[in-house]
Amino acid sequence: AQSVTQLGSHVSVSEGALVLLRCNYSSSVPPYLFWYVQYPNQGLQLLLKYTTGATLVKGINGFEAEFNKSQTSFHLRKPSVHISDTAEYFCAVSDNDYKLSFGAGTTVTVRA
Amino acid sequence: DAGITQSPRYKITETGRQVTLMCHQTWSHSYMFWYRQDLGHGLRLIYYSAAADITDKGEVPDGYVVSRSKTENFPLTLESATRSQTSVYFCASSESPGQQTRDTQYFGPGTRLTVL
Repeated sequence: AQSVTQLGSHVSVSEGALVLLRCNYSSSVPPYLFWYVQYPNQGLQLLLKYTTGATLVKGINGFEAEFNKSQTSFHLRKPSVHISDTAEYFCAVSDNDYKLSFGAGTTVTVRA
Repeated sequence: DAGITQSPRYKITETGRQVTLMCHQTWSHSYMFWYRQDLGHGLRLIYYSAAADITDKGEVPDGYVVSRSKTENFPLTLESATRSQTSVYFCASSESPGQQTRDTQYFGPGTRLTVL
């Protein structure tokens, strides 16, 4: 069985600053890893995913994440955030059986 | 391209009543999923379906019933609603096995359910 831990339930950053969201997972098999974003009153939208290959994954809206097998981590970052990045971010893991296990989520607030 | 839709978007009901939440997708995806979202828990899987007439339990199935007679629809029924089932419910779908993007789930807009 897999589990996901997201460090920090809420992050507040200034517009233009770097944001780093931490995600650690446990899995008994090589995992598929995902970051989803949820804007207010909307469903979840895929930001990026890691399945195999290059450990640095680039996603939409300037986000990127790095898979680190030895540290069992998949941290998400964006070098320069915008007001429109205010949202809740979820890390998720799948062990190839189509089911996702989600972390508790991190709310990001970008200040002007 | 409607994608995946859920109805109703908001629902208020009373303890003990039966409630059905609807989910419809237009992509002919094989897999469909129901999650509930609660503060501090992220999303938790209630039930999922690999194809029409094939369903299986997720992490928190108690108190819920699903069916899937058609590929495009995956209704979730609360047989006798309880206050602990107050939550936001999300439906999702993903592609058939063998497709390159099979592992990506696409989410509906959610149904906010309040049980009084």
